[in-house]
Amino acid sequence: EIVMTQSPATLSVSPGEGATLSCRASQSIISNLAWYQQKPGQAPRLLIYDASTRATGIPARFSGSGSGTEFTLTISSLQSEDFAVYYCQQYNNWPSLTFGGGTKVEIK
Amino acid sequence: QVTLKESGPALVKPTQTLTLTCTFSGFSLRSTGMRVSWIRQPPGRALEWLARIDWDDDKQYNTSLKTRLTISKDTSKNQVVLIMTNMDPLDTATYYCARIGQQLVHDYWGQGTLVTVSS
Repeated sequence: EIVMTQSPATLSVSPGEGATLSCRASQSIISNLAWYQQKPGQAPRLLIYDASTRATGIPARFSGSGSGTEFTLTISSLQSEDFAVYYCQQYNNWPSLTFGGGTKVEIK
Repeated sequence: QVTLKESGPALVKPTQTLTLTCTFSGFSLRSTGMRVSWIRQPPGRALEWLARIDWDDDKQYNTSLKTRLTISKDTSKNQVVLIMTNMDPLDTATYYCARIGQQLVHDYWGQGTLVTVSS
């Protein structure tokens, strides 16, 4: 099973600042990586797939990069609605799908 | 418009069997490339993928839970059912169903249903 490790566990950021979240895979997943955003009491929402493609309706301040085993989600200027938990998920090791442990982005 | 909604008991006793139903609209599980997953999330913890069923009735399970899970579909009703046997308090979680679209990712999610396992 591919293990997905996210860091940091918690990121404290002031509104308007940028944030960089990391996700590492235990073996190469090429670019088969998605990012999801989850707010309290809500279901996750797809942000990014194929490591860098924004899903429909996702603002341009969200960007994804990376390939192989190292991936990054960047939020260029945090808005109030961006404070949430972010999960990465690999879908290279089909049919087994695995999520990372999540990064909580909180207001500094 | 794609929507999914989970339904099932909010409370089950240890050792009982849980049956959850995902009722969806806006797509068909007869269409090539369509899939539906079940995913769960214990309170305050991360997401865990459980099982998936495909348009061609292929079924896949989380290897660590495989012996306890059964997934099935009723395409005429636009429903996917997950059965989990021998429930334990550690199975307390919010259970989500989600569509896997052509991009092979979970692009639409249900609101989730909280299942508590307690005597």
